[in-house]
Amino acid sequence: EDKVVQSPLSLVVHEGDTVTLNCSYEVTNFRSLLWYKQEKKAPTFLFMLTSSGIEKKSGRLSSILDKKELSSILNITATQTGDSAIYLCAVASGTYKYIFGTGTRLKVLA
Amino acid sequence: GAGVSQSPSNKVTEKGKDVELRCDPISGHTALYWYRQSLGQGLEFLIYFQGNSAPDKSGLPSDRFSAERTGGSVSTLTIQRTQQEDSAVYLCASSPTGVFNYGYTFGSGTRLTVV
Repeated sequence: EDKVVQSPLSLVVHEGDTVTLNCSYEVTNFRSLLWYKQEKKAPTFLFMLTSSGIEKKSGRLSSILDKKELSSILNITATQTGDSAIYLCAVASGTYKYIFGTGTRLKVLA
Repeated sequence: GAGVSQSPSNKVTEKGKDVELRCDPISGHTALYWYRQSLGQGLEFLIYFQGNSAPDKSGLPSDRFSAERTGGSVSTLTIQRTQQEDSAVYLCASSPTGVFNYGYTFGSGTRLTVV
């Protein structure tokens, strides 16, 4: 059965800290991996990683895909209170849908 | 439309009543998905539409759940005889054909509370 596991489940840090969120997966036919940020209800897209694009960066956020280890990390440097959210990882399974992990709940304290 | 629109944003219903949740995807997106997110849980896949047909409805939890899509656009998720365990946020997402190049765009969801 395809599955996506994220760790840690929750994390509390102080502003300015650097955090690393983990995502590991087991899927039958890997196509791509997505990271989303969910603050209220609607997850918003952060990154897509594929075999041809294993590293992405946007401002203080960056992500790397390790196809050998079947995992990905999401790094956030110099965290701010606005980074507080649930971070979701999703992996394409088969040809049309993504399987989501349970997410990492990040809280950044001022 | 500019984004994925869902309505209502919140719905409180009594146990045993039927509810309809609506999703209006981004114009031109042929793929449409429904997911459910229970408290403290990840997103659980419910159903996938390509155009008006649903090649994968494997995630629908029971025969009380059904969904349709008309005109390759608006989709309605119907839950009959609601139960308390149906309480969750129901998220709709759409994508152009070729989902693996674009990922999903999500709507803001409908928070369903069954009392």
